Amino acid sequence: QKEVEQDPGPLSVPEGAIVSLNCTYSNSAFQYFMWYRQYSRKGPELLMYTYSSGNKEDGRFTAQVDKSSKYISLFIRDSQPSDSATYLCAIRNTGGFKTIFGAGTRLFVKA
Amino acid sequence: EPEVTQTPSHQVTQMGQEVILRCVPISNHLYFYWYRQILGQKVEFLVSFYNNEISEKSEIFDDQFSVERPDGSNFTLKIRSTKLEDSAMYFCASTGDNSNYGYTFGSGTRLTVV
Repeated sequence: QKEVEQDPGPLSVPEGAIVSLNCTYSNSAFQYFMWYRQYSRKGPELLMYTYSSGNKEDGRFTAQVDKSSKYISLFIRDSQPSDSATYLCAIRNTGGFKTIFGAGTRLFVKA
Repeated sequence: EPEVTQTPSHQVTQMGQEVILRCVPISNHLYFYWYRQILGQKVEFLVSFYNNEISEKSEIFDDQFSVERPDGSNFTLKIRSTKLEDSAMYFCASTGDNSNYGYTFGSGTRLTVV
């Protein structure tokens, strides 16, 4: 079983839509959950991070963690063409140095 | 905004040659990392570095790889004898502490082994 699984998409939505991106993970020991955005041929850029379960909101972005089902989500409201990118979920153990990334979901927002 | 700088942006090398990928982390950061991303695949952890020593490394990071912080600003990844399968994007990242809240990544070096 993979440590983190993410549907690679692509996901295509019209401008203004609400986007839902999701990952599942296998090890309940993971406590730290991140979402990165990656544009083509660029490094990942940290968007959101959460610790343990719960929600976190930042502007149009909401990150959600459900540890009971080992499920993490990123919601993008009022999506814009500039949101078109690959979105990577990432997880990490407490005190560990290694971050484990999902495969990334390719998102296209059409104007 | 502070950024992590990587050079070169693209490196082409012959199989068997040594390459050094260079990174300048954010100046007050203490933890440094290398990740790689083979085309179309996941971002994979290679190594983390703190206090002038490796703190964790992956199975990928074998004897062909080494890291160094030769001065107060640079952080390098050396591949001693490159193989075709080393072709990938290599990303350097840094954090101010062992932050479980994410890294700042550089834009990457695209390594092509021919």
